Formats: sequence, structure tokens, C-alpha cells
Amino acid sequence: EVQLVETGGGLIQPGGSLRLSCAASGFTVTSNYMSWVRQAPGKGLEWVSIIYSDGTTYYADSVKGRFTISRDNSKNTLYLQMNSLSAEDTALYYCARWLGISSTWFYDIWGQGTMVTVSS
Amino acid sequence: EIVLTQSPATLSLSPGERATLSCRASQSVGSFLAWYQQIPGQAPRLLIYDASNRATGVPARFSGSGSGTDFTLTISSLEPEDFAVYYCHQRSSWPQTFGQGTQVEVK
Repeated sequence: EVQLVETGGGLIQPGGSLRLSCAASGFTVTSNYMSWVRQAPGKGLEWVSIIYSDGTTYYADSVKGRFTISRDNSKNTLYLQMNSLSAEDTALYYCARWLGISSTWFYDIWGQGTMVTVSS
Repeated sequence: EIVLTQSPATLSLSPGERATLSCRASQSVGSFLAWYQQIPGQAPRLLIYDASNRATGVPARFSGSGSGTDFTLTISSLEPEDFAVYYCHQRSSWPQTFGQGTQVEVK
């Protein structure tokens, strides 16, 4: 079965760090484009970061310099290292596969999300 | 950054009625617009890609139209499982952006 399972969320104090994990099954993370998308409580979706199959990475301006996306082929897992966290980073974090087929692209697989709460 | 503005914020309809959701982009996105459905407590689900193409398994009552800056998602006859939040999403330029969502609720 093709699926993504996020873990690693929790309550963290402002200024702290957290690493999110996204374990994939049914496909290979390193052969695909993978993103993190977040959703603040009661709000819409916000793209956070993407890693291409060739390792190229991009970040939203709101997290650039603080967050790092990476992956581990041996564990077939995607990561998001989050540093210098603030209350504005409080959200449900989803990992998703950005799939390209015949010149079109879309998110076809999403995890169930992991909640990050930044509060003192 | 391209801003996507969805309207209305909330649509109150009854099962069997037609739903028309709008998404307007702050600049042209061509046809590079998708629609996702999110049922409370669940992850988003792809409905429409490239403005008018239904994703695999999506019922025919969902249709998308538009290009450039104005897009529409139409649900021809609402089923109970269609009451959810719908987001538009553009991939025309980085960063990718989503609209703020339209909630379709039971009247």
C-alpha cells in the first residue's frame, strides 16, 4: 500500500528545535519529489519546502534559514528539521508526494499530519 | 508570490444542490491550477488538476473550468460526503500557493 506516515510533532518552547519524520511505503522517497505543507489551526494550507529527486531543495520565505528538508534512502524517510521555532510555526505538518506525470504535477499522496505546537 | 482568493468563504447548500466555487489568482497561472478537498480530520485529496482534469477515482459530478486568473469548481449535485473544505492550488510559479479555502456546509 502506498502511504506516508508523519511523526515527531509535539509541544516545543519558542526558540526550540524539532525534527519531523515522514516514513513512506509503497514507493521510494529518493526517486520522487517530496514536500512539506502545513496548516495552522483553523487556517488554510501553506507550502513549506520541497526536495527534488536530484536533491535540490526549496523553502518558503517564512522558514528559509530555519528549516531544513532532507531524506534517508535506507529508511525511505523524509525529514524536516525545524530550528528557532516561533508561535507562527504552530501547525499540522503534512508530507506529500509531488508527482509529475506527462508534464503535469500534483500532490497525489498525503500523510495524516503531525501537530507542532510552539508555546511556553 | 501569487495570491489565490477563493469565494465565497462559506457556501451553505442542501444535498442535491449545485455548488459553484470560485478561485481568482492575482496574476495569470495559465491552466496550472488544482483543486483539493479536505474533509475535517483528514488530509487533502486531489480532485482536479490543470484546471479541468479530474483525478483518478473522482466522481463525474466534480468539474473544473477556467484559465488565466479565474477558475471555477462545480459540484453538479451535492452528495453527503461532499460537505468539506475545498482549496485551490497553483503551480505556475514558486512558491506554490493555496487559496484560503471554501467551506461547503449543510444548509
